[in-house]
Amino acid sequence: EAGVAQSPRYKIIEKRQSVAFWCNPISGHATLYWYQQILGQGPKLLIQFQNNGVVDDSQLPKDRFSAERLKGVDSTLKIQPAKLEDSAVYLCASSPLWPGANVLTFGAGSRLTVL
Amino acid sequence: AQRVTQPEKLLSVFKGAPVELKCNYSYSGSPELFWYVQYSRQRLQLLLRHISRESIKGFTADLNKGETSFHLKKPFAQEEDSAMYYCALRGVQGAQKLVFGQGTRLTINP
Repeated sequence: EAGVAQSPRYKIIEKRQSVAFWCNPISGHATLYWYQQILGQGPKLLIQFQNNGVVDDSQLPKDRFSAERLKGVDSTLKIQPAKLEDSAVYLCASSPLWPGANVLTFGAGSRLTVL
Repeated sequence: AQRVTQPEKLLSVFKGAPVELKCNYSYSGSPELFWYVQYSRQRLQLLLRHISRESIKGFTADLNKGETSFHLKKPFAQEEDSAMYYCALRGVQGAQKLVFGQGTRLTINP
């Protein structure tokens, strides 16, 4: 089966600019996750969707970050305006509802550098 | 609140030696515990989960509820085990989000 697709793989922007990341999950996976991984740290969940509804966005900085999954398939994560501390790898993952609901498949990640 | 602690950021052992990567957790209830691994230039992927109670690539992990630990062990390390290892916890109530530890970089020396 095709894996989780993410683009772009790399992005360099200046602070206060905006950026968007795209994710296409594994076909049929109802749950989609966006994680932020800062260098030297473990992945931190930003937002979790089930189909096109938000399950958890408690750690999403909503003043600058937004995410949507309009048709319950692919998703976009946006940062506007970016800050230096947003430099990180943004990981998208997906999982089915059943079976294997608790096993996440990760994409390759989108590496953001904010100058 | 869910919390996962991996006390060692770096761990280096010689090939053929035993390996133990430590993981402690904090959760009020019975969580699900996982080990994920990221090999060089590869994606983060599941290594094993406590529910399966299986050995993957020679690794095992036992959930110790009394000590709130889920340490990863392998009796004889191989060079291809060099990677970044993350312990993760998923609550069984509410949003059931997966929370990761900081990770341990394991290096196997020849």
